[in-house]
Amino acid sequence: DAGVIQSPRHEVTEMGQEVTLRCKPISGHDYLFWYRQTMMRGLELLIYFNNNVPIDDSGMPEDRFSAKMPNASFSTLKIQPSEPRDSAVYFCASSLMADSNQPQHFGDGTRLSIL
Amino acid sequence: AQSVTQLDSQVPVFEEAPVELRCNYSSSVSVYLFWYVQYPNQGLQLLLKYLSGSTLVKGINGFEAEFNKSQTSFHLRKPSVHISDTAEYFCAVIPLNSGNTPLVFGKGTRLSVIA
Repeated sequence: DAGVIQSPRHEVTEMGQEVTLRCKPISGHDYLFWYRQTMMRGLELLIYFNNNVPIDDSGMPEDRFSAKMPNASFSTLKIQPSEPRDSAVYFCASSLMADSNQPQHFGDGTRLSIL
Repeated sequence: AQSVTQLDSQVPVFEEAPVELRCNYSSSVSVYLFWYVQYPNQGLQLLLKYLSGSTLVKGINGFEAEFNKSQTSFHLRKPSVHISDTAEYFCAVIPLNSGNTPLVFGKGTRLSVIA
């Protein structure tokens, strides 16, 4: 299995620009999670989906952030407009729904730098 | 609600010495427990998990953890560390039969192995 695939691995852009992060979960997984990791705040859950439906987006910091999952094999996290404080590593993870004992599988992350 | 406390944010240790990374949790219901490891510039990987049965759980790379229900702890141990164990370690919990509830992560412990 290819694992969770995230793209791009690195993104550097100027503030005010739109940023789109992409994620392909493991085939057959029902849950998809978006996390943000910074030195100051650690690992934060932003939003998660179950069967392509957003379940909890209370971790999304502002309206500038939006996430979609148009189908079972693809999700995007968009920031518009971006700000320097959005600089972080963004992780996508997926897991099976069947039991809560199923571990989450993480992608390698997107390192985002907003100048 | 659940919470996870990792008591040490950083743990330096000499190569071939033993190490213990501490994790305590709070929950009003029974939980599953996990340890994840994050190597530099990578996503989180599952190290081990406790679901039920024996309270001593063995994971990959020679790590083990012991579940102590009375002390609500799930400390991670390794008898002899290697340079390659340098990484950040995250403890996480999820309640049994949680339905849509995602993992709750601790803030992480950075293990630095010194030659």
